[in-house]
Amino acid sequence: DARVTQTPRHKVTEMGQEVTMRCQPILGHNTVFWYRQTMMQGLELLAYFRNRAPLDDSGMPKDRFSAEMPDATLATLKIQPSEPRDSAVYFCASAQPEDRDEKLFFGSGTQLSVL
Amino acid sequence: AQSVAQPEDQVNVAEGNPLTVKCTYSVSGNPYLFWYVQYPNRGLQFLLKYITGDNLVKGSYGFEAEFNKSQTSFHLKKPSALVSDSALYFCAVSPYGQNFVFGPGTRLSVLP
Repeated sequence: DARVTQTPRHKVTEMGQEVTMRCQPILGHNTVFWYRQTMMQGLELLAYFRNRAPLDDSGMPKDRFSAEMPDATLATLKIQPSEPRDSAVYFCASAQPEDRDEKLFFGSGTQLSVL
Repeated sequence: AQSVAQPEDQVNVAEGNPLTVKCTYSVSGNPYLFWYVQYPNRGLQFLLKYITGDNLVKGSYGFEAEFNKSQTSFHLKKPSALVSDSALYFCAVSPYGQNFVFGPGTRLSVLP
C-alpha cells in the first residue's frame, strides 16, 4: 500500500534550535508539497517541487525556512532558528499529475512544538 | 489567483439525515475541484474530484459533490449521515495539478 512517510511524527524543541522534517513521497510521484496547519491559519502552502526543482516557495519565511529535495525519494523542510510561532503540524503530500490522477496523497504529518 | 471559500466553520447534522458541506471557488480557466477529509491526528485523505464531465461526482464512503459552474460551487453531500463521518472537510482547487489551494475547512459533527 503506497503511502507518504513523514518523520518524525512529533518533535519538541527549544526556541533557537534547528528542526529538520523529512518526507518520503510515494515512489514515482514527481510533485511534492509542504503544508503547515494551525488552528488560526488553517492549511498553508509553504513550498512545492516538481521533478525536484522548487516551483513555488512564496509561502515560506525565507529567513528561517528552507526546503530541498536532495533526491527523488527525499524531501526536507528545515527551520533554523525555530521560534514558538512555528509550532504547528507540517504535512508533506505528493502527486503525479501526468498520471491524470491529479490528487494529493498526504503523510501523517509532523507535530512540531517549539518551547 | 485561485481561492476557495467554505462559508461554514461548523455543520451539525443528526445521524441518518442528509448533509451538505458548502464550497465556492474562484479560479481562472477550468477548475479541478477536490474534497478531502481529515480525521483527528491524521493527514488529509482524498474523497472525490471533479475534472470534467458529469456535474455530479461520486466518491468514497457514499459522498458525492455537485459542480455548478454558474454559481462557482462544489458542495459536498451525503444522503444519510453517519456518526463516523464526523471530521474536518476541506474543499480544494487545482489548476491542472500545479498548485492545490485549500479552503479553511468545515468541521462536520454528526450527532447520534
